[in-house]
Amino acid sequence: SSELTQDPAVSVALGQTVRITCQGDSLRNYYASWYQQKPRQAPILVMYSKNSRPSGVPDRFSGSRSGNTASLTITGAQAEDEADYFCYSRGSSGHHLVFGGGTKLTVL
Amino acid sequence: QVQLHESGPGLAKPSETLSLTCSVSGDSIRNNYWSWIRQPPGKGLEWIGHIHDSGSANYNPSLKSRVTMSVDTSKSQFSLKLTSVTATDTAVYYCARHFNGRFRENRGVIYYYYYMDVWGEGTTVTVSS
Repeated sequence: SSELTQDPAVSVALGQTVRITCQGDSLRNYYASWYQQKPRQAPILVMYSKNSRPSGVPDRFSGSRSGNTASLTITGAQAEDEADYFCYSRGSSGHHLVFGGGTKLTVL
Repeated sequence: QVQLHESGPGLAKPSETLSLTCSVSGDSIRNNYWSWIRQPPGKGLEWIGHIHDSGSANYNPSLKSRVTMSVDTSKSQFSLKLTSVTATDTAVYYCARHFNGRFRENRGVIYYYYYMDVWGEGTTVTVSS
């Protein structure tokens, strides 16, 4: 099992808000970064640090952290946001880094 | 614009050593961290490790005994070697540019973060006899 836990699947109605979460003990001291991956494509970075978006990522994506949980929120989800989302941060048991298991987002 | 490109054999036999190279263009390979990540078919992402151009490396504990990474600054390339491969090493292998950072919040607590901002397109490696 991963040291960062994500819900395997989440769905959202078009235009609504969805929160994708990532839980892990290490997140009390480390911020997660988030990656979007569409089928047969490489992942792309969509969020990092406290709430930083790389250039080109729509501002409907935002990040937050509370306790041991990191969240990626999409406000007004669009059809093109349908993808797998992975969180990434330090593992709780050492100096290594880990990905969460991933969340498949479906936009209805 | 930074671009990364993975290259290497698409097929490896069990027990052999897998060797992949990532070519970096549009940015200096110096003073940066560089990562390898893999994704088995139908599964999630797995961090393999990262290396600094100084040679300092950090590996996934589950792979550490089989992994070696290196950097060739003269060629703007970094490499991955994975020994004693088995079918479970079949995956798409990605290289990426890696950053570490930290900041201090109002109460003086220091937080750290890690991210990979540029990825290669990935190369598929199949381990089969």
